[in-house]
Amino acid sequence: AQSVTQLGSHVSVSEGALVLLRCNYSSSVPPYLFWYVQYPNQGLQLLLKYTSAATLVKGINGFEAEFKKSETSFHLTKPSAHMSDAAEYFCAVSEGFKTIFGAGTRLFVKA
Amino acid sequence: SQTIHQWPATLVQPVGSPLSLECTVEGTSNPNLYWYRQAAGRGLQLLFYSVGIGQISSEVPQNLSASRPQDRQFILSSKKLLLSDSGFYLCAWDDRGLAGESKFEQYFGPGTRLTVT
Repeated sequence: AQSVTQLGSHVSVSEGALVLLRCNYSSSVPPYLFWYVQYPNQGLQLLLKYTSAATLVKGINGFEAEFKKSETSFHLTKPSAHMSDAAEYFCAVSEGFKTIFGAGTRLFVKA
Repeated sequence: SQTIHQWPATLVQPVGSPLSLECTVEGTSNPNLYWYRQAAGRGLQLLFYSVGIGQISSEVPQNLSASRPQDRQFILSSKKLLLSDSGFYLCAWDDRGLAGESKFEQYFGPGTRLTVT
């Protein structure tokens, strides 16, 4: 069965600093991988997805993620954090009709 | 464009009372529909999914049930709520599995905050 592990339930960065949110997955077949963002009391919004095309995937709001098969990783990055990036981020892997979500990483951005 | 609605937005119910949460999707046909629960500080737990009218798959044994009476309507129900049913309930849709290009990403509704007292 596929699974997703997000390293770090909380990450804190200063405004303007690099954002790095870590995600590792396990899958027996080439995966479809996603990052979603959730703002307080809202549903999830897709940031970006990997579907076996380019390994470096660019998403909305300046985020990008790199698929590394050898490391089974799909880490999310943003060069410069903004206060509006404060939210919870979920990594997910698709398996048939199911999407398996990680436990989430809450990003705090300090002024 | 497609939109997904959930209601109510918030709900406070006593233990033992019934529950009915509704989700509707507009702007698409034959979507796959999903109910998730998100407990405080935790990830998303898939409760049910449906690939068509009347077709419901349950992922977690519990006192909740789901129904899909129409193509774009998905209902989550309970006959008697438990304290442990409190949480943030999210409905989502996607169109994977259809002929042609499948978009594997899911689109989420705004959620219902349920507090069982």
